[in-house]
Amino acid sequence: DTGVSQDPRHKITKRGQNVTFRCDPISEHNRLYWYRQTLGQGPEFLTYFQNEAQLEKSRLLSDRFSAERPKGSFSTLEIQRTEQGDSAMYLCASSLARGPAREQYFGPGTRLTVT
Amino acid sequence: GENVEQHPSTLSVQEGDSAVIKCTYSDSASNYFPWYKQELGKGPQLIIDIRSNVGEKKDQRIAVTLNKTAKHFSLHITETQPEDSAVYFCAASKGQPGGNYQLIWGAGTKLIIKP
Repeated sequence: DTGVSQDPRHKITKRGQNVTFRCDPISEHNRLYWYRQTLGQGPEFLTYFQNEAQLEKSRLLSDRFSAERPKGSFSTLEIQRTEQGDSAMYLCASSLARGPAREQYFGPGTRLTVT
Repeated sequence: GENVEQHPSTLSVQEGDSAVIKCTYSDSASNYFPWYKQELGKGPQLIIDIRSNVGEKKDQRIAVTLNKTAKHFSLHITETQPEDSAVYFCAASKGQPGGNYQLIWGAGTKLIIKP
């Protein structure tokens, strides 16, 4: 399977703990996006990378959130001092932003539950 | 900023009938409009997309139409089958090559195919 993968698929944590999620994009894709989706809603943009550079962050991404893509391949999203409001599905998408190509392909997501 | 509204929130159709889901967007600079299908516990799957220089696009039983003047676009599914049951999301994006292609999403339509 050469699609986008995310790990873990589910994470239950206690309030105040730190969590880290990983995303492996489609291998030749230069762009990687993180979105957050709460129940019954569409995804909301958090941040994106072009290769290893983080080019834009949403105001939804508080100081407790940090994302990296150190070698322009996989990416990690860390949430420090988790709060119950962080409970959501965290989705990663990759894209080949070259020429007219703009399609974003999503992974299965990581569902975070903060108790 | 961009806002995407989607209707209806739930749509129930008889197997074999057609289903139509409608979206409106607010930012006239938006130029890319994908549709995603999301099944329970999975990430969104791109099913069809359309760009602002095209009025209609078809792929087998699925078609999308775009009316730039009215700023709305629609998804049409013909000859519906039980496996079409899922939540469908529309999205809009703007940006020039090299820019942020973040997607702004509708709230989703739960499509139920009745046998």
